[in-house]
Amino acid sequence: NAGVTQTPKFQVLKTGQSMTLQCAQDMNHEYMSWYRQDPGMGLRLIHYSVGAGITDQGEVPNGYNVSRSTTEDFPLRLLSAAPSQTSVYFCASSYGWGTGELFFGEGSRLTVL
Amino acid sequence: AQTVTQSQPEMSVQEAETVTLSCTYDTSESDYYLFWYKQPPSRQMILVIRQEAYKQQNATENRFSVNFQKAAKSFSLKISDSQLGDAAMYFCAYRNLTQGGSEKLVFGKGTKLTVNP
Repeated sequence: NAGVTQTPKFQVLKTGQSMTLQCAQDMNHEYMSWYRQDPGMGLRLIHYSVGAGITDQGEVPNGYNVSRSTTEDFPLRLLSAAPSQTSVYFCASSYGWGTGELFFGEGSRLTVL
Repeated sequence: AQTVTQSQPEMSVQEAETVTLSCTYDTSESDYYLFWYKQPPSRQMILVIRQEAYKQQNATENRFSVNFQKAAKSFSLKISDSQLGDAAMYFCAYRNLTQGGSEKLVFGKGTKLTVNP
């Protein structure tokens, strides 16, 4: 089982460049989300989606854009990368309306120079 | 807004010994879930244990158990017979039950556990 797949695993960007972090899940989960992890900060929610066509902001949404055109995919777009967006990004999914267990991808380490 | 506090940035334990990681949370809700996630050096987040607030019995999963004190809003994780593979970052997390299909988790900042041979 593939579970939650994130690509790329590593990326280096220059300030001002744009990019998309891809996330796909094959578990037919309704709920998908993006977190960022910074040293000493734990995981903070960026955006989430409770189903195809429905997205909402989390705790730290500025500088990021998402869309959910299919149940399987939930890409995260950085419109104009800034050094403050240097972080490890995690995509997570779950069935929704359930017991709250999130299934995580392996993470994507992004460095913005 | 709910908050989760892990007051121990780092902990260490000898192999085969027992260690307890602390977690407190703040909420005005009566129904919610609490979780402990493990993040080994590979970065993969793995669910260790889950507790429903309406259950008085503490959850257990093999060598992992929790001490859930609802009135004190405390949710500690006890690891018995520690193994080298338990070395990881451990995150405490909280989820409301009233979020209508949203599985938003609020995470603590984590505790780094070192297991000494």
